[in-house]
Amino acid sequence: GESVGLHLPTLSVQEGDNSIINCAYSNSASDYFIWYKQESGKGPQFIIDIRSNMDKRQGQRVTVLLNKTVKHLSLQIAATQPGDSAVYFCAENPYNFNKFYFGSGTKLNVKP
Amino acid sequence: DTEVTQTPKHLVMGMTNKKSLKCEQHMGHRAMYWYKQKAKKPPELMFVYSYEKLSINESVPSRFSPECPNSSLLNLHLHALQPEDSALYLCASSQAGRGVRNTGELFFGEGSRLTVL
Repeated sequence: GESVGLHLPTLSVQEGDNSIINCAYSNSASDYFIWYKQESGKGPQFIIDIRSNMDKRQGQRVTVLLNKTVKHLSLQIAATQPGDSAVYFCAENPYNFNKFYFGSGTKLNVKP
Repeated sequence: DTEVTQTPKHLVMGMTNKKSLKCEQHMGHRAMYWYKQKAKKPPELMFVYSYEKLSINESVPSRFSPECPNSSLLNLHLHALQPEDSALYLCASSQAGRGVRNTGELFFGEGSRLTVL
């Protein structure tokens, strides 16, 4: 039979549109967060990070928003390109030396 | 190109075999990690080494045995694995500070894809 959990949440966007990928984290003690991008057959790549004393941080074409009240992170990608197609994971770092835990991931499909 | 190198890229082994996965980094990072990733799932933390000492073991079965021979190398020794251990094994490294909380990013290798028959 079919196994539960084999299907990643998928976001499909048109090239040039903005994308918003969401993540709920679990540990209220987490105070550092990273977004990673993982292309097929590759290891995760760092995109952007944010500490809990901030609620917004911007990079090149990407913005991360942090809402500690509801334990929610989002990644906004401006002018999405086909090269942005990948699986995106958020990772949280509880106040514990060298421990990072990953969220369940979202697959981004960019249609040309 | 990733600065964390993992070998082999692919490994097929039987349940009675003994094999090893290897990881190397030359970024001067003193924290190194093993993660396990099943298809369409996030990476799961297995082990963390800090200054060549095992600092975190996430209740991993003893058929997985990590080793950190020096600050640049990390091995994962495999023995008597089960088919459900088939996965992508990711190595990562980061800066570490003794007594100081690490907030640096993880640098990942491309992974070793393991198939247990």
